[in-house]
Amino acid sequence: QSALTQPASVSGSPGQSITISCTGTSSDVGGYNYVSWYQQHPGKAPKLMIYEVSNRPSGVSNRFSGSKSGNTASLTISGLQAEDEADYYCSSYTSSSMSFGGGTKLTVL
Amino acid sequence: QLQLQESGPGLVKPSETLSLTCTVSGGSISSSSYYWGWIRQPPGKGLEWIGSIHYSGSTYYNPSLKSRVTISVDTSKNQFSLKLSSVTAADTAVYYCARPPTTGTTRSAFDIWGQGTMVTVSS
Repeated sequence: QSALTQPASVSGSPGQSITISCTGTSSDVGGYNYVSWYQQHPGKAPKLMIYEVSNRPSGVSNRFSGSKSGNTASLTISGLQAEDEADYYCSSYTSSSMSFGGGTKLTVL
Repeated sequence: QLQLQESGPGLVKPSETLSLTCTVSGGSISSSSYYWGWIRQPPGKGLEWIGSIHYSGSTYYNPSLKSRVTISVDTSKNQFSLKLSSVTAADTAVYYCARPPTTGTTRSAFDIWGQGTMVTVSS
């Protein structure tokens, strides 16, 4: 059982926008601005897409954006492309650890 | 360009100690105040933070693994290492080493990752 809750799967058509949610508690997502999002293609290492809720690392497309409201963080991908099909994980700092979500499989139809 | 590479045995027997090393190239592990981390991913499952270390030796561990984990650093070799004792089949996973995008944060995010190394616990 993951500490952070994500939908198991989401899907969208090319060009559309999708949002993946990540629900925690006031002890993790709601309590700190240290939520991050990772993209992982099969057999590859995770790639950081968003850190500190809404910051994009250098080189990450501005089609990816992050936000947070209360105990729920969100990753939005606009202008869906075929290469966005992957697993996405959220994570959050906690007072004693670092928690991850169970992952969301994004299918581009 | 900074690169990380994990190395170590791919097969460990139950009850023994898993030992992995992460070699940092393209930069010095002691040049900035990063907390270098270990993360693992069991086959078909999600990610789990194991722990993080600063080049000074300061460490933070996942409470669920703390009794079995030791992370150390060797600045002369530009490496940091993971030891996980009393392993069981549940410790079978791909183990990654990684570095955060910003200095000073102990477990906020990880930006640069190694390719990962698969460790199987089996007799």
